[in-house]
Amino acid sequence: KNQVEQSPQSLIILEGKNCTLQCNYTVSPFSNLRWYKQDTGRGPVSLTIMTFSENTKSNGRYTATLDADTKQSSLHITASQLSDSASYICVVGPWGIKAAGNKLTFGGGTRVLVKP
Amino acid sequence: EAGVAQSPRYKIIEKRQSVAFWCNPISGHATLYWYQQILGQGPKLLIQFQNNGVVDDSQLPKDRFSAERLKGVDSTLKIQPAKLEDSAVYLCASSLWGRVGETQYFGPGTRLLVL
Repeated sequence: KNQVEQSPQSLIILEGKNCTLQCNYTVSPFSNLRWYKQDTGRGPVSLTIMTFSENTKSNGRYTATLDADTKQSSLHITASQLSDSASYICVVGPWGIKAAGNKLTFGGGTRVLVKP
Repeated sequence: EAGVAQSPRYKIIEKRQSVAFWCNPISGHATLYWYQQILGQGPKLLIQFQNNGVVDDSQLPKDRFSAERLKGVDSTLKIQPAKLEDSAVYLCASSLWGRVGETQYFGPGTRLLVL
């Protein structure tokens, strides 16, 4: 069964500090891994996407890493800001070429709260 | 570029009542998705449309949920009758062709509370 597990479930950090979120997946065959940010009351917004051949991808203060051998990914937030308070969802896409192949497997998310 | 629009934003109903949600995807996007997101969990795909055809509805509780996208543009999702466990946020997303790796753009969601 395809699964995506995220840890921790939630964390609190002080503004300006760094933090790292973890994602382990069992989706196979694997095509791509994406991190989404979901603000409270909003829909998820894509932060980064990596294929199985990529190890790292950055988007401003967000850096995602991928180890396709161990099926692990991490999202690192540098110099956190109050606006980083949100849920971060790891999403894995299967391998396929047809429209139905874009069926994604979502993790449960990590809720991050940045305090001043 | 306008994003995915959903309405209403919030809905409170009693169990056994019916409810309908509306979604207007990004213009030109052929693929439309409805997700159910229970509090504290990631979204779960309910149904995927490619234009006006259903691609995947394997996780749609068909005894009470229905969805349509008659003209291949906007879509409605209906629940009849609602149960307490249907309380969740219903997210609509769209993508250009539904191909692997393509970005799905999400709407703000409709938050449903069933009492």
